[in-house]
Amino acid sequence: GQQLNQSPQSMFIQEGEDVSMNCTSSSIFNTWLWYKQDPGEGPVLLIALYKAGELTSNGRLTAQFGITRKDSFLNISASIPSDVGIYFCAGQLWEYGNKLVFGAGTILRVKS
Amino acid sequence: DAGVTQSPTHLIKTRGQQVTLRCSPISGHKSVSWYQQVLGQGPQFIFQYYEKEERGRGNFPDRFSARQFPNYSSELNVNALLLGDSALYLCASSLFRTSGIITDTQYFGPGTRLTVL
Repeated sequence: GQQLNQSPQSMFIQEGEDVSMNCTSSSIFNTWLWYKQDPGEGPVLLIALYKAGELTSNGRLTAQFGITRKDSFLNISASIPSDVGIYFCAGQLWEYGNKLVFGAGTILRVKS
Repeated sequence: DAGVTQSPTHLIKTRGQQVTLRCSPISGHKSVSWYQQVLGQGPQFIFQYYEKEERGRGNFPDRFSARQFPNYSSELNVNALLLGDSALYLCASSLFRTSGIITDTQYFGPGTRLTVL
């Protein structure tokens, strides 16, 4: 089945730093999405990408749909404390079920 | 507008019991998908329903079943519960609209935390 490799697994951020994370797969996806999940809550959609090569921003967040349709990255600029949480990439296939295939997540923590 | 709502918030069951989880989609959305999220992992796809018909099924045993009602709300049923069924069960709603470009962007509810003892 399809698998996504998400990296890094975890990282520490200091307020004001830029953050980068990415997802790769051996499979092609029709759509890439990025979600953030806080403890005990459901994932919240951050950015959805629909075309290969597409670069989309949402405030301090920027994400790109890889040209091969097998990868995506998410950048967070000038991080703030509320950016802490778990970030998931998800690839979507337009087949029976339009299912989302999720990465294992990137945990963002605050550097003390 | 209300987002995706799920009930109950938490549930504790014992092995062998049956459980029913409920989901109401965002107003105007006609599709509901169910995902299982085990602690420390990303969500895993279980089902998608659109217009009351199953449109997709993940790699889960037949103990898992679901249905969608005329008002587009949905129920997920799990029979003969096992310890390994303990997880956060997430419901996602979407438009499932296809008009040239398919954009089935899925929005998640807060989840139901199921604990099986």
